[in-house]
Amino acid sequence: GAGVSQTPSNKVTEKGKYVELRCDPISGHTALYWYRQSLGQGPEFLIYFQGTGAADDSGLPNDRFFAVRPEGSVSTLKIQRTERGDSAVYLCASSPRGFNEQFFGPGTRLTVL
Amino acid sequence: GENVEQHPSTLSVQEGDSAVIKCTYSDSASNYFPWYKQELGKGPQLIIDIRSNVGEKKDQRIAVTLNKTAKHFSLHITETQPEDSAVYFCAASQENFNKFYFGSGTKLNVKP
Repeated sequence: GAGVSQTPSNKVTEKGKYVELRCDPISGHTALYWYRQSLGQGPEFLIYFQGTGAADDSGLPNDRFFAVRPEGSVSTLKIQRTERGDSAVYLCASSPRGFNEQFFGPGTRLTVL
Repeated sequence: GENVEQHPSTLSVQEGDSAVIKCTYSDSASNYFPWYKQELGKGPQLIIDIRSNVGEKKDQRIAVTLNKTAKHFSLHITETQPEDSAVYFCAASQENFNKFYFGSGTKLNVKP
């Protein structure tokens, strides 16, 4: 079966621009997570959705970051007024209801010039 | 919040030898501990996990041990093969909270 997919795989943008990153979770998985991974570091939690609602957004670094999951499936991470420090790999993961295992996608590498 | 520390940051072994990676955590409420393998350009892949109600779990060449009192857990890989070369991450979470806290990773190099 298909795993978690993320698009685009690479995104290069200029400082100050707006970007959207997309995540397609495994079909039927109710929980969806976003993490950010800087070079040489482990993933850092950003936000967690259970269904359509954000159950925990405590990892979002500031109000330039926002995520939605309007129909409880696909999610979009939105970053406004990008800064060079936003450059990282953004990972998405999903898990089925009642289970802890998180299945990760390949990530989107964001580069802010 | 939870703090997970992982060491060593790099580990080089000869093919056929064993490799051990260690992690400590700070929050005694954490009770789920997965290990992920990440190859270059790919997302992390779950290889094994353990819950706090057991002390050890094994799956073929991979085993994980957990010491709740000392708040540390370890990954053991036996009979290493070149395809085991990757970055390995430990993580900790509370089962009802779902947020994972990751260690900083161990780059394992298995020399043929």
